[in-house]
Amino acid sequence: AQSVSQHNHHVILSEAASLELGCNYSYGGTVNLFWYVQYPGQHLQLLLKYFSGDPLVKGIKGFEAEFIKSKFSFNLRKPSVQWSDTAEYFCAVSGNNRLAFGKGNQVVVIP
Amino acid sequence: GAGVSQTPSNKVTEKGKYVELRCDPISGHTALYWYRQSLGQGPEFLIYFQGTGAADDSGLPNDRFFAVRPEGSVSTLKIQRTERGDSAVYLCASSSGWNTEAFFGQGTRLTVV
Repeated sequence: AQSVSQHNHHVILSEAASLELGCNYSYGGTVNLFWYVQYPGQHLQLLLKYFSGDPLVKGIKGFEAEFIKSKFSFNLRKPSVQWSDTAEYFCAVSGNNRLAFGKGNQVVVIP
Repeated sequence: GAGVSQTPSNKVTEKGKYVELRCDPISGHTALYWYRQSLGQGPEFLIYFQGTGAADDSGLPNDRFFAVRPEGSVSTLKIQRTERGDSAVYLCASSSGWNTEAFFGQGTRLTVV
């Protein structure tokens, strides 16, 4: 079964700082990778996804992620965060009829 | 509807009672998933439906949990003899296929007292 590891569960940073959230996965088959975001009081929504092709994928709100197959990683980045990026971020990998999620990163951006 | 709808949004029940949680997926989505999210954790897979049948129920924690999707649309997650450890947010998601983007509902926060 697939599994996902996310590090640095709590991240606090100031507006305009750069953000990088790590995601490592384990799965023996072909992977599809996702980052989901949950803003306070809202439901999980897709930030970006990788199925195939260019390993650098761009998502909504200026986020991007890079798939590095040799490192089993799919790290999320944003060059300059805003207060509205305060949220919980989940990395997920699909396989075996399901999405497997990491524990999430709680990101707080201070104005 | 426009998105995945879950009812109720909150449910408080006494230990030992039976509860039903409802999910209305996006119209036309054949795949439906139930997840459970405890505090400080990511969503944990419970069950996957493809159409009316449970294609994978290996995530259900024990036989007190059961889910149905009789007409291939609305799904109900049923929990018998609830325990305090069942307290969590129960999430439903739907997609057009098992390996495509999943759209999540707001969840049902279940509290067993």
